[in-house]
Amino acid sequence: DTEVTQTPKHLVMGMTNKKSLKCEQHMGHRAMYWYKQKAKKPPELMFVYSYEKLSINESVPSRFSPECPNSSLLNLHLHALQPEDSALYLCASSQDRTPIPDEQFFGPGTRLTVL
Amino acid sequence: DAKTTQPTSMDCAEGRAANLPCNHSTISGNEYVYWYRQIHSQGPQYIIHGLKNNETNEMASLIITEDRKSSTLILPHATLRDTAVYYCIVRVAYNNNDMRFGAGTRLTVKP
Repeated sequence: DTEVTQTPKHLVMGMTNKKSLKCEQHMGHRAMYWYKQKAKKPPELMFVYSYEKLSINESVPSRFSPECPNSSLLNLHLHALQPEDSALYLCASSQDRTPIPDEQFFGPGTRLTVL
Repeated sequence: DAKTTQPTSMDCAEGRAANLPCNHSTISGNEYVYWYRQIHSQGPQYIIHGLKNNETNEMASLIITEDRKSSTLILPHATLRDTAVYYCIVRVAYNNNDMRFGAGTRLTVKP
């Protein structure tokens, strides 16, 4: 199984809602990632978990809260978002080896619309 | 990580080779060149990577110049399904988890 799955595929939420994005992989990877991608722009790194510990947080606003319950699961909890947070949210995973940087496997993304 | 420069867009005829250039003139000795692509409405997909030698896999070939300041991704027989944004990314060894996308090249394969 070389797939990263993300749910839901689409999400529409109001600015006062609380919602969560979910990501799952069963490749035994120990690093998991969240990226944000606005239309016609490249993906931007948000968070990285390595061995279930948060290793990179790219100064993301606190209305985005990541969680890694175990090595196969990654969540992104959303609260009080703004319309400009509407984007495609991509999850990825990798083995987390050294020294050669890992190939990252990406999910199809969740398209989020904030009204 | 070294910065990369790619053309904004390129066209290629179906069945012909697509040659996508990337400039990374400030690359360091411990930095690898990675290529990913993103087909519309999908997540990025890994293609190939290299350090200094040329590399080939079932998807593509990667040619890195001797001074390592530039590279070319070659899709030997482009198909319509190769239409995508192609990203050239430089990544430093021992820093596994930090990957930053540049603007990429939008490749359009035409019939």
